[in-house]
Amino acid sequence: DTTVKQNPRYKLARVGKPVNLICSQTMNHDTMYWYQKKPNQAPKLLLFYYDKILNREADTFEKFQSSRPNNSFCSLYIGSAGLEYSAMYLCASSPGQGDTQYFGPGTRLLVL
Amino acid sequence: AQSVTQPDARVTVSEGASLQLRCKYSYSGTPYLFWYVQYPRQGLQLLLKYYSGDPVVQGVNGFEAEFIKSNSSFHLRKASVHWSDSAVYFCAVSVGNNAGAKLTFGGGTRLTVRP
Repeated sequence: DTTVKQNPRYKLARVGKPVNLICSQTMNHDTMYWYQKKPNQAPKLLLFYYDKILNREADTFEKFQSSRPNNSFCSLYIGSAGLEYSAMYLCASSPGQGDTQYFGPGTRLLVL
Repeated sequence: AQSVTQPDARVTVSEGASLQLRCKYSYSGTPYLFWYVQYPRQGLQLLLKYYSGDPVVQGVNGFEAEFIKSNSSFHLRKASVHWSDSAVYFCAVSVGNNAGAKLTFGGGTRLTVRP
């Protein structure tokens, strides 16, 4: 089973309010990723966990938080949503270095 | 830093025609290369990948891609497209490190197959 699950599939948030997105996988993968994808743009890596170590991209360091309470789950947290956060958020997992990343169906976030 | 270019933002072909979607990458080392497809309202699905060996790799649903190192290209091909192939296709390069691989995507090519 190579399924990556994401909840919720759709999220409506108000400007200034927090947002928490959830991702899970049961493949015992070491690495879990979060990407942001806007229409007509490439997916943009936000951060990833390698085991328990969080790596955040330099240009998104201040904007997104994440936690990985166990191997299967990973969250993406936005403390105060802005209009610019409206996007599709894709979670992926990978068994190791350079290996295939398996993507979830995404969470479509709309901030109003 | 690595980068990926997909020069064709949109491609339209007729059903049954052959297809080539172009991808060029920039990376000083030996890359891992991927093609993903995104169908409407779905996440990204892997079509095929190249790590090493035979430069022509076969993927799902009749897709294949050829790694040409001298040209830094990894074009996607299909001999005969079906209307259900209409989707957005992303080429990606992976740069591994001890903390986990990082995918860099191209901008995507939106394929429309006319019935």
